[in-house]
Amino acid sequence: EPEVTQTPSHQVTQMGQEVILRCVPISNHLYFYWYRQILGQKVEFLVSFYNNEISEKSEIFDDQFSVERPDGSNFTLKIRSTKLEDSAMYFCASNGRGQGGELFFGEGSRLTVL
Amino acid sequence: RKEVEQDPGPFNVPEGATVAFNCTYSNSASQSFFWYRQDCRKEPKLLMSVYSSGNEDGRFTAQLNRASQYISLLIRDSKLSDSATYLCVAHPLFGNEKLTFGTGTRLTIIP
Repeated sequence: EPEVTQTPSHQVTQMGQEVILRCVPISNHLYFYWYRQILGQKVEFLVSFYNNEISEKSEIFDDQFSVERPDGSNFTLKIRSTKLEDSAMYFCASNGRGQGGELFFGEGSRLTVL
Repeated sequence: RKEVEQDPGPFNVPEGATVAFNCTYSNSASQSFFWYRQDCRKEPKLLMSVYSSGNEDGRFTAQLNRASQYISLLIRDSKLSDSATYLCVAHPLFGNEKLTFGTGTRLTIIP
């Protein structure tokens, strides 16, 4: 069964450092997303990406965040200068026909900022 | 008021029992609704979509009441493997693409 894969599974970083989280969405999917979940809290939308550009972003997704799809398979989330409050599980998701359908989530990348 | 609100639980239910969760939403523009399941420290996975006419998938029944703005999930003959957090999710039909998640209801099935 096709799946969304994410790397790394866990990353520990110092405050102020840059972090790149990587995702390989399901190959025939066209819509890509990043969500995050702070420990003990709800899953929150960060950004959606379609046709090689951001289609929507939340207020959480400020100038410190960026996404790109550099090579047609990987979908990356970059946090330029991490803050303590960026510590969370980051989930990548993909969908074949927009969010009206099922979202397929990766297993997540746990980011710990010290 | 939270956009999607759920009782966090925990619900501790004996195996074989029937359990029901409710969820309320505040945005009347929300058009599509889903129940996702999330196991501890794992990713959310779609359990079922929710339709106004109600829908059933095996032991699971989901219902939507637009007038009262609430969604329900009923699990019959609960199994140990049903232990998880159940996430209520809303999505507007038009405009933005984001799914809005509730905080989830934690269910533990007791042998």
